[in-house]
Amino acid sequence: EAGVAQSPRYKIIEKRQSVAFWCNPISGHATLYWYQQILGQGPKLLIQFQNNGVVDDSQLPKDRFSAERLKGVDSTLKIQPAKLEDSAVYLCASSPGTGLSGNTIYFGEGSWLTVV
Amino acid sequence: KNQVEQSPQSLIILEGKNCTLQCNYTVSPFSNLRWYKQDTGRGPVSLTIMTFSENTKSNGRYTATLDADTKQSSLHITASQLSDSASYICVVSGETAGNKLTFGGGTRVLVKP
Repeated sequence: EAGVAQSPRYKIIEKRQSVAFWCNPISGHATLYWYQQILGQGPKLLIQFQNNGVVDDSQLPKDRFSAERLKGVDSTLKIQPAKLEDSAVYLCASSPGTGLSGNTIYFGEGSWLTVV
Repeated sequence: KNQVEQSPQSLIILEGKNCTLQCNYTVSPFSNLRWYKQDTGRGPVSLTIMTFSENTKSNGRYTATLDADTKQSSLHITASQLSDSASYICVVSGETAGNKLTFGGGTRVLVKP
C-alpha cells in the first residue's frame, strides 16, 4: 500500500516569498491533516479536512496560510508571504476514519521549509 | 485546556537496556491514546493505539500501558537497539467532532552501543 506522498521534501525561500506544498493521501482515506512541526516540538494541527470539507482550521494563520483539498483527494498548503518563524516541517497525514474512530493516522515524510 | 506532557524530554540508554517513557494528559473526554515513533528527518510512524478499555498493548519490543483513571500512559522499550534512537510522541484524542488530536512534545531517545 502506497503511503502519504508529499512534495517537495525540502524548500529554502527568502522571507516574504511564497511556497506551496502538495500532499497525496493514501487512496480512500477520507480525512487529511496538515501539521506544522517546529524542531524539537510535537506537531501542531494547521487544518483538517474530511473529504473536501474543512473540519478544523482554528490554528491556521489565515492571513498568510491557505489550504485546499479539491475533489476530496490531493491537497495543497500555501504560505504567502513567508516569515522566518514559518521555518518548520510541514507534515501531511491521512486516516480512513473520522470522528470518534480509533483509526491509525498515517503521516508523510514531511516537507522541510527553511525561510531565510 | 487539553494538554499532553511527556517525560523525560530526552534520555540516553545503552544498547540492550530497557527504558520507560511517561505521558500524562488532561484531554477530556478521552477517546484514545497513541504512541508514535519519529526518526530524525522522517514522519511519525504509529506504534500503538489504545482506547479507554485497554490498559496494555504491545508492538514487538514496545509495550504501552494506559491508566485512564490517573490519565497516565507509559511506553516501555525492551532490550533497546540502536534503531530505537528516535523521538517518541504521545498523542491523545478527545471525544469531539473531528477526532481532534493533542500532541505531546516528545521524548528524544538515544541508544548508544
